[in-house]
Amino acid sequence: TQLLEQSPQFLSIQEGENLTVYCNSSSVFSSLQWYRQEPGEGPVLLVTVVTGGEVKKLKRLTFQFGDARKDSSLHITAAQTGDTGLYLCAGAYIPGSSFGAGTRLTVKP
Amino acid sequence: DTAVSQTPKYLVTQMGNDKSIKCEQNLGHDTMYWYKQDSKKFLKIMFSYNNKELIINETVPNRFSPKSPDKAHLNLHINSLELGDSAVYFCASSQREDYGYTFGSGTRLTVV
Repeated sequence: TQLLEQSPQFLSIQEGENLTVYCNSSSVFSSLQWYRQEPGEGPVLLVTVVTGGEVKKLKRLTFQFGDARKDSSLHITAAQTGDTGLYLCAGAYIPGSSFGAGTRLTVKP
Repeated sequence: DTAVSQTPKYLVTQMGNDKSIKCEQNLGHDTMYWYKQDSKKFLKIMFSYNNKELIINETVPNRFSPKSPDKAHLNLHINSLELGDSAVYFCASSQREDYGYTFGSGTRLTVV
């Protein structure tokens, strides 16, 4: 059973467009992480959000943690081809973080 | 370079064999993990281990066993390999759960 549901599962957009992907759960998490994974590599940590309502920015990427700490969103402004990849959210859990199934983003030139 | 490194990158073996995957981290992290990523890219926790405690995901068959010679290493041993064990296995480490993980680049295991 997955604790975290990510949507959409697949997203294909043109370079320059904006997009938002979502991570939802019925469980409360003490923290939530976003990772990006490229083919043949392990996930790379982008950000950790801890406080309900928290917003963090990483260049063109904006991450928000829901007030109830059950959900999160990732917004990308003016997407670039280099943003292509699998975006994973994860929530702290035992014995290790529980991951969503990911959103596969393709940015076309 | 500071990192989590795992070997081998690729492993092809026959059903019934026993194999090991090695993992080392030089980040000074206290906790290490093994994850399995299936063909649909879903990451599933198998074990977490720090120098005091091993926590096992109850769904993991006992053919899988982690072994840690020291704080910087957590190796994965798999006995009597089955076709369904084919997947990519990732090692990871963290200083604190809330800080997120550093992952290795993965080992693609193919059982034939």
